[in-house]
Amino acid sequence: GQNIDQPTEMTATEGAIVQINCTYQTSGFNGLFWYQQHAGEAPTFLSYNVLDGLEEKGRFSSFLSRSKGYSYLLLKELQMKDSASYLCAVLDSNYQLIWGAGTKLIIKP
Amino acid sequence: GAGVSQTPSNKVTEKGKYVELRCDPISGHTALYWYRQSLGQGPEFLIYFQGTGAADDSGLPNDRFFAVRPEGSVSTLKIQRTERGDSAVYLCASSSGTGHTDTQYFGPGTRLTVL
Repeated sequence: GQNIDQPTEMTATEGAIVQINCTYQTSGFNGLFWYQQHAGEAPTFLSYNVLDGLEEKGRFSSFLSRSKGYSYLLLKELQMKDSASYLCAVLDSNYQLIWGAGTKLIIKP
Repeated sequence: GAGVSQTPSNKVTEKGKYVELRCDPISGHTALYWYRQSLGQGPEFLIYFQGTGAADDSGLPNDRFFAVRPEGSVSTLKIQRTERGDSAVYLCASSSGTGHTDTQYFGPGTRLTVL
């Protein structure tokens, strides 16, 4: 079967750095997405990785290792508004997005 | 419009009833996706349209679910004989290209509650 694993919940302090991990086992791989979802709102796009390595975009960076079936999202200089769920999703061989259950990130002052 | 819109935002219905959920994609976006999301879970793929045709409907759970996009813009997800297990947030997303790697822009969702 297809599987995306993420921690259920993480807590971090305002101004700090947090790394959210995602491991996947899917039938084929055509890229990995990270989305942010505030409670009761729609997911919004953060990043897309298809090649190994680190992609940096402002305070957010995303890393991919295809050989390890592993990705992480790195959030720097955390702000209270970063409190949200972070969803990892993999595009499989049929070009369907397979989603993880999301990691709820709680930011404390 | 500026973004993807979905109506209604909330729908409460009784078991066995028929419901229609509407999605208005971003103007010019040819690709449209329907997902459903249960509490504490990621979205679950239902169906994908490219233009007017359903290019992939393999995620529809059974024949009570059907979706149309007759003019290649607005889409309607139809659920017959609703069951309590159909309760979820139904999300619609659109993207501009023909490739699935294009960013999907999500609407706010319709929260369906089946009593």
